Amino acid sequence: LAKTTQPISMDSYEGQEVNITCSHNNIATNDYITWYQQFPSQGPRFIIQGYKTKVTNEVASLFIPADRKSSTLSLPRVSLSDTAVYYCLVASGTYKYIFGTGTRLKVLA
Amino acid sequence: ETGVTQTPRHLVMGMTNKKSLKCEQHLGHNAMYWYKQSAKKPLELMFVYSLEERVENNSVPSRFSPECPNSSHLFLHLHTLQPEDSALYLCASSQKRLMNTEAFFGQGTRLTVV
Repeated sequence: LAKTTQPISMDSYEGQEVNITCSHNNIATNDYITWYQQFPSQGPRFIIQGYKTKVTNEVASLFIPADRKSSTLSLPRVSLSDTAVYYCLVASGTYKYIFGTGTRLKVLA
Repeated sequence: ETGVTQTPRHLVMGMTNKKSLKCEQHLGHNAMYWYKQSAKKPLELMFVYSLEERVENNSVPSRFSPECPNSSHLFLHLHTLQPEDSALYLCASSQKRLMNTEAFFGQGTRLTVV
């Protein structure tokens, strides 16, 4: 399983764009990159998933360079309600959804 | 609402009690999971069931006993727990596929062992 490395914490202000980068140097050919969001005392919630280049949905964008050894989650114009822990996972349809420490994002007014 | 429902949401139990956590998924998935999340710690994968067969058991103490009677239901039976077992217990489900797949989580059960 590819190990992921993310910053432990980040602070941002409301209205700003937030980019969280995840490093996954030993990603395998069949692995997809998935990001989850978790609020306190709740289960993680799927945000976005991608394999290469760029993926965008109504919540976020995911940028993946050609070598796929890293990925960047981009949250446009964050609000206070985006304060949460964000996890980057790398897996290929296996059963092992292994979560790391994640990035604790704090959005300030 | 993610389609994965956990009950109860909160549970307080003594160390000599026996209780069970329940998880139900309405997504037609064929894999279900139990995770434990202690305060300010990452999620720890405890058990994985695929098509009602246990495929993963990450060195979890025997005081935790999972049961998967069918692909929609998952239980975690608890007995003689310790205070350090107090945590948020999360259930998840997914559809096993060759390539991309994501897990859907329930809201969790907040367990306090006294």
